[in-house]
Amino acid sequence: GQQLNQSPQSMFIQEGEDVSMNCTSSSIFNTWLWYKQDPGEGPVLLIALYKAGELTSNGRLTAQFGITRKDSFLNISASIPSDVGIYFCAGQLSGAQKLVFGQGTRLTINP
Amino acid sequence: DAGITQSPRHKVTETGTPVTLRCHQTENHRYMYWYRQDPGHGLRLIHYSYGVKDTDKGEVSDGYSVSRSKTEDFLLTLESATSSQTSVYFCAISGRGWNYGYTFGSGTRLTVV
Repeated sequence: GQQLNQSPQSMFIQEGEDVSMNCTSSSIFNTWLWYKQDPGEGPVLLIALYKAGELTSNGRLTAQFGITRKDSFLNISASIPSDVGIYFCAGQLSGAQKLVFGQGTRLTINP
Repeated sequence: DAGITQSPRHKVTETGTPVTLRCHQTENHRYMYWYRQDPGHGLRLIHYSYGVKDTDKGEVSDGYSVSRSKTEDFLLTLESATSSQTSVYFCAISGRGWNYGYTFGSGTRLTVV
């Protein structure tokens, strides 16, 4: 079953606003990944995190690997229309050989 | 483009019929995965492969089988399609294992009527 809780499920914001979303779990993860999916396409990797406490940026995106290894967050600064889409967190459980995905956060931006 | 293609992109099939979806990669990556995407469930792993003829089950493997007879192709077969298998199916590849991120295909939208 689903082992990652991603929130919020959806967001409606104004262009230019900052965005924050997160993933939590009761299990410990070795790796956290954040993906974005555009309509009709597959998810595309945005940021990968490999160490507890790690903070990584990719342009206007910043993600952190929680110190407890059970959570991660993604921030988007100064949102623009092309940020619209579904954002997924994914993690590799300690000792597991595959990724687990969150349910996704659907981001809608009003111009 | 990462060199991964899925076919067909769309398919409508009848309940009880077998269906095969194809994933083809030109990256020579070792790992290949099949996921399904449904509203409220995110992406759920069906089966994956870690080499030619080496496959394993994911969390939602019932009713599905896979085959990988060569590095570049990973086939997903619905043995007898049911309405609950209506979904969008994504193939993904990874060259260094699961924790270095996957590259996804564009998906196959399957409707079982």
